[in-house]
Amino acid sequence: DAGVTQSPTHLIKTRGQQVTLRCSPKSGHDTVSWYQQALGQGPQFIFQYYEEEERQRGNFPDRFSGHQFPNYSSELNVNALLLGDSALYLCASSLAAGGPYEQYFGPGTRLTVT
Amino acid sequence: QKEVEQDPGPLSVPEGAIVSLNCTYSNSAFQYFMWYRQYSRKGPELLMYTYSSGNKEDGRFTAQVDKSSKYISLFIRDSQPSDSATYLCAMSANYGGSQGNLIFGKGTKLSVKP
Repeated sequence: DAGVTQSPTHLIKTRGQQVTLRCSPKSGHDTVSWYQQALGQGPQFIFQYYEEEERQRGNFPDRFSGHQFPNYSSELNVNALLLGDSALYLCASSLAAGGPYEQYFGPGTRLTVT
Repeated sequence: QKEVEQDPGPLSVPEGAIVSLNCTYSNSAFQYFMWYRQYSRKGPELLMYTYSSGNKEDGRFTAQVDKSSKYISLFIRDSQPSDSATYLCAMSANYGGSQGNLIFGKGTKLSVKP
C-alpha cells in the first residue's frame, strides 16, 4: 500500500502565476482534504472533496480551487499566486464514513512563491 | 483568541526525560482530540486520539483530555532522540461526512538530546 502520494515534491513559482498540485489517496479511501501549513504554523484546512464535489471549505479565497476525479485522486489549484501562498500543502485522505482521526497525510508539496 | 493554542517551544530535554506537551482550546463542541508527530519536511502522522474526556495510553505515550478545563496533554515517558519532532494537537467536532475540518495547534518542536 503506497499510502497518500503527492506531486510534485516542491516547486518554485513567481507571484501572479498559477499552480496545480496533485494528490493520490490511500487505497480504499474516497475523501480528500487539503491543508496549508505555513512555516512554523499548524496545518490550516482549505477544503474537502467527496464524490467529486467540494463538501467543506475553510477560510480561503476563491483563488484556491480543487477537483476530485472518479478514481478519487484530487488536484488543488491556486491562481494569482501571492508571496503569502508560500507553504507546505498537505493532502489527507480518509473514508467519508470514518472518524476525524482516520485522515492519513501525504508528505506534502512545498510551494515557494518569489 | 485562536480556537486552539499550543506553546511552540522549542522544548529541549535529555534522553530518558518525561515530556509534557499541552494545548488549550475555546470551542466546547470539540469531541475528538488528536496528537500528530511531524518530522522535518514530512507530513503529520497520527500518534493517538481520544474521544471526549479521559486518558489513553499507548506504550510510552499517554494522552489526557480535560473538557471541563478545555485542556489536553500528551506525555512521553523515557524520551528518545528519535522522538525529536514537532508535535501537533488537532481537534474536531465532527464524525463521518464532515470530519475533514481538523483544527490544529501551531505545534511544539521537541528536541531530545542523547
